[in-house]
Amino acid sequence: KAGVTQTPRYLIKTRGQQVTLSCSPISGHRSVSWYQQTPGQGLQFLFEYFSETQRNKGNFPGRFSGRQFSNSRSEMNVSTLELGDSALYLCASSLEGGNGYTFGSGTRLTVV
Amino acid sequence: AQSVTQPDIHITVSEGASLELRCNYSYGATPYLFWYVQSPGQGLQLLLKYFSGDTLVQGIKGFEAEFKRSQSSFNLRKPSVHWSDAAEYFCAVGPGYSSASKIIFGSGTRLSIRP
Repeated sequence: KAGVTQTPRYLIKTRGQQVTLSCSPISGHRSVSWYQQTPGQGLQFLFEYFSETQRNKGNFPGRFSGRQFSNSRSEMNVSTLELGDSALYLCASSLEGGNGYTFGSGTRLTVV
Repeated sequence: AQSVTQPDIHITVSEGASLELRCNYSYGATPYLFWYVQSPGQGLQLLLKYFSGDTLVQGIKGFEAEFKRSQSSFNLRKPSVHWSDAAEYFCAVGPGYSSASKIIFGSGTRLSIRP
């Protein structure tokens, strides 16, 4: 079966712009989590959606938001981009959550 | 506080040699434990996970890990490494129930293989 698909793979944006990243989970998986990965901070949890509801949230500013659709596909949005938002954004899906995730290849966001 | 510590930032081993990557965790309850591997520019691939039962867990690619509750450790081992094992390895801990899905990752150990 298909894995977790993230689009686009690479993005270059300018400070102040906003960006939307997309994640299609494995078929049947209802939990989708997002992580930010940077060399300095490592892997940091952004949020998790389960059945279209945000179930958990990490310690990120309100500029970071997300949503999940009825088909479990998820998007995350970052508004008013800052240079420090440059990172690899990883999406992961799970049947229920908590007991192990399958990760996508990530979206590499560069803010200039 | 919940945390995962991987004390080795970078390890280099010779091809064919054995490998052990260290992981220590701090968690208030019985945790779920994971090891993931990441190749450059790629996402994370689950190597193995421990929930309960036998403390020696077998994973993919010939990896295994041993859970030691008394030492709060979950070290990853492989008896003979291959050049293709060069990657970054992450230990992670989760709460063990599905509705609290935040998994905490260690800072990673980069593995290099000497020919």
